[in-house]
Amino acid sequence: SQQGEEDPQALSIQEGENATMNCSYKTSINNLQWYRQNSGRGLVHLILIRSNEREKHSGRLRVTLDTSKKSSSLLITASRAADTASYFCATDTAGTASKLTFGTGTRLQVTL
Amino acid sequence: DGGITQSPKYLFRKEGQNVTLSCEQNLNHDAMYWYRQDPGQGLRLIYYSQIVNDFQKGDIAEGYSVSREKKESFPLTVTSAQKNPTAFYLCASSMWGEQYFGPGTRLTVT
Repeated sequence: SQQGEEDPQALSIQEGENATMNCSYKTSINNLQWYRQNSGRGLVHLILIRSNEREKHSGRLRVTLDTSKKSSSLLITASRAADTASYFCATDTAGTASKLTFGTGTRLQVTL
Repeated sequence: DGGITQSPKYLFRKEGQNVTLSCEQNLNHDAMYWYRQDPGQGLRLIYYSQIVNDFQKGDIAEGYSVSREKKESFPLTVTSAQKNPTAFYLCASSMWGEQYFGPGTRLTVT
C-alpha cells in the first residue's frame, strides 16, 4: 500500500525557478524522508525530518512538515537542469522504524 | 549508488522460470530491503531483513522468496508463481533510517 501521495504528479519549470512538491500521508509517522531518482537508477536520500521538527534545510532544499495536516513539502530553490528527476517521500511509523512506505512520486523537469 | 551492487542490470527470462537477483552491500548495514517499481509508480516493499538469518514479508511478497545467510548479501528469487514479474527491482540497506539504494535490476519476462 502507498502511504504517501505526492502532488503534483509532474512539474515542469525553467532553470532558476523554485520547485515545490507536496506529500500527504495517512497515518501517524516517526520520520519523513525525501528521495530523488534519476530515470532508470536507484534512489538517493535527500533529507530526513522527524515528527517533532517543522522545518529543515540542506543546501538548496527546504523541507517542511505539518503533522496536524499529515503533509510535507519539498522546496528546491534556484533549480538547475541537473535537478530533473523524480522525487519521492517516504514515511516510517512507530515500532517499524526500518520499514519505509513510499509515495507515488513527483516527476520534475527543469528546462534551460 | 553507494556501496550496494545489484547484478545484472538487465535480465530476460522466459515465463515459468525462476530467476534470482543479486544484492550485495559493503556498508556493514544490518537491514536490507527489496522493492519493486512499476513504470510511473512508487516503490512497493517485497521483503526486508533486519538481521542475518531473519526476514519479514513486505506488502507484496507473494511469488517471491529471499534468504539472508550473510550480512552482506540478500538475494531475491522471483518464482514462476509471481503473476506479473516484469518490473524494475531495487535493493536497499540501512543502519538507522536513511536507506541506501543499489542501481536496480530491470527484469523482463516474456
